[in-house]
Amino acid sequence: DAGITQSPRHKVTETGTPVTLRCHQTENHRYMYWYRQDPGHGLRLIHYSYGVKDTDKGEVSDGYSVSRSKTEDFLLTLESATSSQTSVYFCAIKERDNEQFFGPGTRLTVL
Amino acid sequence: RKEVEQDPGPFNVPEGATVAFNCTYSNSASQSFFWYRQDCRKEPKLLMSVYSSGNEDGRFTAQLNRASQYISLLIRDSKLSDSATYLCVVNTNAGKSTFGDGTTLTVKP
Repeated sequence: DAGITQSPRHKVTETGTPVTLRCHQTENHRYMYWYRQDPGHGLRLIHYSYGVKDTDKGEVSDGYSVSRSKTEDFLLTLESATSSQTSVYFCAIKERDNEQFFGPGTRLTVL
Repeated sequence: RKEVEQDPGPFNVPEGATVAFNCTYSNSASQSFFWYRQDCRKEPKLLMSVYSSGNEDGRFTAQLNRASQYISLLIRDSKLSDSATYLCVVNTNAGKSTFGDGTTLTVKP
């Protein structure tokens, strides 16, 4: 157990509304990641962080922003949610040997 | 062509069978390799790392073939509880991780 929690676990929202997902870790890991998982696409990296206030884009970053003001929290924001952002979102941390450990996921539905 | 490719399956096998999955990767600079297991509606969980010399953990054996750029996972004496989707993950030395889409295994009584 890597001590990763995500909130909310489920959310239904409407197109055009802002949404923020939270990832919280308790073990002081430097690297944190946000992925989305969709049928036929597997896990795709949205954004990642390599320290407080240090973030970078992944392969599917359009429409998403992130913030990391504390080591333990990594926030993912959809500024104006669209139906194409309906997905399962996983947060992950990375340990020394490049192994990643995932949070339980957030199921987001955008109507 | 995807950077990491897996046969999606499904693989349907009886209990006690031996089953093998392959995962091919295109980036020759890849440095570290992993197999994850994902149950339905759950997060991926690390099953095992894949070392150049190969490694074994109970009924599970992972192999790496750098020349042909693939990794494999062998499951012996399959159990019902092995039913899941198996994801391979390939990392470059820059720390980029690429996930395969997964191979679905169903073990039947």
